[in-house]
Amino acid sequence: DSGVTQTPKHLITATGQRVTLRCSPRSGDLSVYWYQQSLDQGLQFLIQYYNGEERAKGNILERFSAQQFPDLHSELNLSSLELGDSALYFCASSVDRGPGNTIYFGEGSWLTVV
Amino acid sequence: GNSVTQMEGPVTLSEEAFLTINCTYTATGYPSLFWYVQYPGEGLQLLLKATKADDKGSNKGFEATYRKETTSFHLEKGSVQVSDSAVYFCALTSIKGNAGNMLTFGGGTRLMVKP
Repeated sequence: DSGVTQTPKHLITATGQRVTLRCSPRSGDLSVYWYQQSLDQGLQFLIQYYNGEERAKGNILERFSAQQFPDLHSELNLSSLELGDSALYFCASSVDRGPGNTIYFGEGSWLTVV
Repeated sequence: GNSVTQMEGPVTLSEEAFLTINCTYTATGYPSLFWYVQYPGEGLQLLLKATKADDKGSNKGFEATYRKETTSFHLEKGSVQVSDSAVYFCALTSIKGNAGNMLTFGGGTRLMVKP
């Protein structure tokens, strides 16, 4: 158990809908990251927050948004869903943003868009 | 930009065989290097890491040495077990300007160990 908690574990929704994925980082971790794992794209970095502020942005679509709240939990909002958004979405956390810091991953949220 | 290249799988071995999964990287500055493992139906787990040249990371019988001269971080294990069957990801982090750091992953290598 990494200490990173993600909900829901599985989600099935229709095209055009909107979903919210939730993440609680490890106790004491200030950085939260979101990654997408799909069969054709592999593991892609989406976005990073540090202590409530956006720190880095990767291949995140405009239809997707995220935020980190004062209690440090984070949410990833996916809207106008398309079939291609079906993937495993990982949340991860680390103590801070230094490159040597270990980044711990949750078990992921499986999203299926039908 | 940063990139990680690892050998394509699947790699199929018999139990107690020697394992090598090659990983090379391209990065600016001085990245930290990681191996993550994903067991079937599970999330990513950190296997080992190295933060500077010539460091050796090790865990559960796996080891990898940070080779700056060859920009490599090959994963090795002397004797694999069926329970090692999983997908292995090589990754690196480096600071992106004054912003955050992020993991850049290789494509993953599936290991299948047969009894």
